[in-house]
Amino acid sequence: DADVTQTPRNRITKTGKRIMLECSQTKGHDRMYWYRQDPGLGLRLIYYSFDVKDINKGEISDGYSVSRQAQAKFSLSLESAIPNQTALYFCATSDLSVSGEQFFGPGTRLTVL
Amino acid sequence: KQEVTQIPAALSVPEGENLVLNCSFTDSAIYNLQWFRQDPGKGLTSLLLIQSSQREQTSGRLNASLDKSSGRSTLYIAASQPGDSATYLCAVSSSGYSTLTFGKGTMLLVSP
Repeated sequence: DADVTQTPRNRITKTGKRIMLECSQTKGHDRMYWYRQDPGLGLRLIYYSFDVKDINKGEISDGYSVSRQAQAKFSLSLESAIPNQTALYFCATSDLSVSGEQFFGPGTRLTVL
Repeated sequence: KQEVTQIPAALSVPEGENLVLNCSFTDSAIYNLQWFRQDPGKGLTSLLLIQSSQREQTSGRLNASLDKSSGRSTLYIAASQPGDSATYLCAVSSSGYSTLTFGKGTMLLVSP
């Protein structure tokens, strides 16, 4: 079984809809991250969490919100989706007490029409 | 603000060649540097992690080096194979409490 899982893997939605992307991990890591990837722009950080009660904005947090429901779960919400949020979304985890190495999920391809 | 640059943006080589991918970063005060591989439309696979106190790391045919003072890292791939075709991403962390800053990647194509 994969250590970092994301659901759904693909999603097509319409402008204005609320969307939630979910991430779960079995690695026991305390840190979790959400990135988006766009062609030509690379990966950019949306939000990150160093613990269950900790939420931090990343480089491009506008239009997004997150929830850290448990150590193993980190959800990303688009309150009112718009077409320029069409992208590949990745969740990642890391454990500073070991090396800080980040491990990524398989990604969610989101299309907003 | 940390910036990461990868050169070249794309590289095409015949099978069997040894090759070097380059990564440079603007702030030399890094905590660690990580190399990833990404296949088209897929997630990122961690290849090598170099802590700031280390000079290089090796895994199989891959060798990554780090020169903090010059703000550079290289990923050396020996005896390239068609299965090595992918995009290679470099990312740096500036402290234990900071996040990764990514380069835009080098797209590698190894032809049989």
